[in-house]
Amino acid sequence: KQEVTQIPAALSVPEGENLVLNCSFTDSAIYNLQWFRQDPGKGLTSLLLIQSSQREQTSGRLNASLDKSSGRSTLYIAASQPGDSATYLCAVPYGNNRLAFGKGNQVVVIP
Amino acid sequence: NAGVTQTPKFRILKIGQSMTLQCTQDMNHNYMYWYRQDPGMGLKLIYYSVGAGITDKGEVPNGYNVSRSTTEDFPLRLELAAPSQTSVYFCASSYLQDGTEAFFGQGTRLTVV
Repeated sequence: KQEVTQIPAALSVPEGENLVLNCSFTDSAIYNLQWFRQDPGKGLTSLLLIQSSQREQTSGRLNASLDKSSGRSTLYIAASQPGDSATYLCAVPYGNNRLAFGKGNQVVVIP
Repeated sequence: NAGVTQTPKFRILKIGQSMTLQCTQDMNHNYMYWYRQDPGMGLKLIYYSVGAGITDKGEVPNGYNVSRSTTEDFPLRLELAAPSQTSVYFCASSYLQDGTEAFFGQGTRLTVV
């Protein structure tokens, strides 16, 4: 079974600071890893999908890295904005057709 | 561009009642999933389907049933609702076998009283 841990569970940063969100997983036999954003009372929105062959994926101010050997992925958000306030979830495949989710990194960006 | 559509958005059930949560997707994805999300917890997989007519249990299937008669639809049935089923339910679909590149519905907030 895949165990996914996200650290820190919650953080508050002033606007403009860079954010570093960590995800660790126990079973490194994966091809892909996905990061999602969830706003309060809403569904999950996909941010980035990293393939194991890529090791890194970028979209605008977001950059996600993947190190399978150490069972870690990191999501970087540059120059944070109040609109980045949300919960960020890491999803890692396991078994057949299954995703394991971490409990999330709850982010508050203070104007 | 509907994506994954869930209905209803909110529902209150009495203990022992039954209901069906509807989920439909218009992306022709083979893989569909039902998750529940409880406060402070990650998403837990209830059931999933790899195609029409094929379903399988996830981590927390007790008290639920599913069917997949078409590629588009994947309803979740709650029989004899219990307070422990109070949760937010999410339906998702994907075209990748490992479940990544998943698209989620907006969720159904269910309260059992």
